[in-house]
Amino acid sequence: NAGVMQNPRHLVRRRGQEARLRCSPMKGHSHVYWYRQLPEEGLKFMVYLQKENIIDESGMPKERFSAEFPKEGPSILRIQQVVRGDSAAYFCASSPRDRGGTDTQYFGPGTRLTVL
Amino acid sequence: QKEVEQDPGPLSVPEGAIVSLNCTYSNSAFQYFMWYRQYSRKGPELLMYTYSSGNKEDGRFTAQVDKSSKYISLFIRDSQPSDSATYLCAMSEGSGKSTFGDGTTLTVKP
Repeated sequence: NAGVMQNPRHLVRRRGQEARLRCSPMKGHSHVYWYRQLPEEGLKFMVYLQKENIIDESGMPKERFSAEFPKEGPSILRIQQVVRGDSAAYFCASSPRDRGGTDTQYFGPGTRLTVL
Repeated sequence: QKEVEQDPGPLSVPEGAIVSLNCTYSNSAFQYFMWYRQYSRKGPELLMYTYSSGNKEDGRFTAQVDKSSKYISLFIRDSQPSDSATYLCAMSEGSGKSTFGDGTTLTVKP
């Protein structure tokens, strides 16, 4: 059973460009979460999505950032007009959200974004 | 003030030692408590998952949750060099969003 997959693993962008990060959840998982990790810090929640719905985007910056999880295909985190402060590791997690309402989240390997 | 505070470390112990990792929190609505292990430049790996107060044991790992004190711990017995990693505590109200501590870096020396 393949785990959470993220691509690309490394992404380099110049200031002002767009970054697109992709996440394919584990098989059977319909809930996706995005987190950002700055160096020497823990993970910070950004957004929680189900298929075709944004459930919680309280951690998402109001401008330049957007996320989607379409009916078909991976979840996408998009960052427009990137700035140096966007350089970080972006992790995606997925969960089955079973009847127990558990929050057991399984993480992907991350995408390391570097903004030049 | 952060919702979750984690002992910053770093910790360095000899092989075979018992390791204690700790977090405190301020949000009394947290019900789910997790410990993740993260190797350098890798994604977090779920180690332990606990609902509400109590103890949970899995092999060399024991997780403790004391909701009255808003304090959680992870104990590692007979620590091994392969346990060297950053350990992250995380907590959730059950709404999907997890709140993480900043991590404690552990080095187990042979």
